[in-house]
Amino acid sequence: GQSLEQPSEVTAVEGAIVQINCTYQTSGFYGLSWYQQHDGGAPTFLSYNALDGLEETGRFSSFLSRSDSYGYLLLQELQMKDSASYFCAVRDDKIIFGKGTRLHILP
Amino acid sequence: DGGITQSPKYLFRKEGQNVTLSCEQNLNHDAMYWYRQDPGQGLRLIYYSQIVNDFQKGDIAEGYSVSREKKESFPLTVTSAQKNPTAFYLCAATYPGGTGELFFGEGSRLTVL
Repeated sequence: GQSLEQPSEVTAVEGAIVQINCTYQTSGFYGLSWYQQHDGGAPTFLSYNALDGLEETGRFSSFLSRSDSYGYLLLQELQMKDSASYFCAVRDDKIIFGKGTRLHILP
Repeated sequence: DGGITQSPKYLFRKEGQNVTLSCEQNLNHDAMYWYRQDPGQGLRLIYYSQIVNDFQKGDIAEGYSVSREKKESFPLTVTSAQKNPTAFYLCAATYPGGTGELFFGEGSRLTVL
């Protein structure tokens, strides 16, 4: 079967750095994506890794290790507006999501 | 504006009734998806379609049906066979290759009374 594991909740302080991990077990693999979802809204795309290494997009970075079936999303200089749920997703012939990580930010 | 349009945004239905959720896109993307989201949960795949006139079951297809007669449209029917249909339904589209970025509609919230 296919599964993606990520922590259910993470808490961090405004201005700090937080890392959200994702491990996956899938029959096929083209790449790992990350999405952000605010309460009541639709998910929005943040990043994508097809190859090993780090991809940086502003305050957000995403890392992938295909040999370890592992990736993470790194959020720097946390702002209150980053309070949301974050989902990792694996793409093979379809796109499957993890259960999401709720990020709480303390002032 | 280019995007995904879902309707209705809110829907109430009585037990035993079928209901159809609309999803239309003008992004010209080949692939379309339906996900279900329950409170505090992730997105679970119901059905997906990579091309017109073809679709595949996802992880939780029981009690649901879809059609893909046009590239722009991918309606989802929630049938009376679905035991617990109250949920937030999200439709998305993507193009083959590249990042596979999913573009989502605003969602349809279905409540069964």
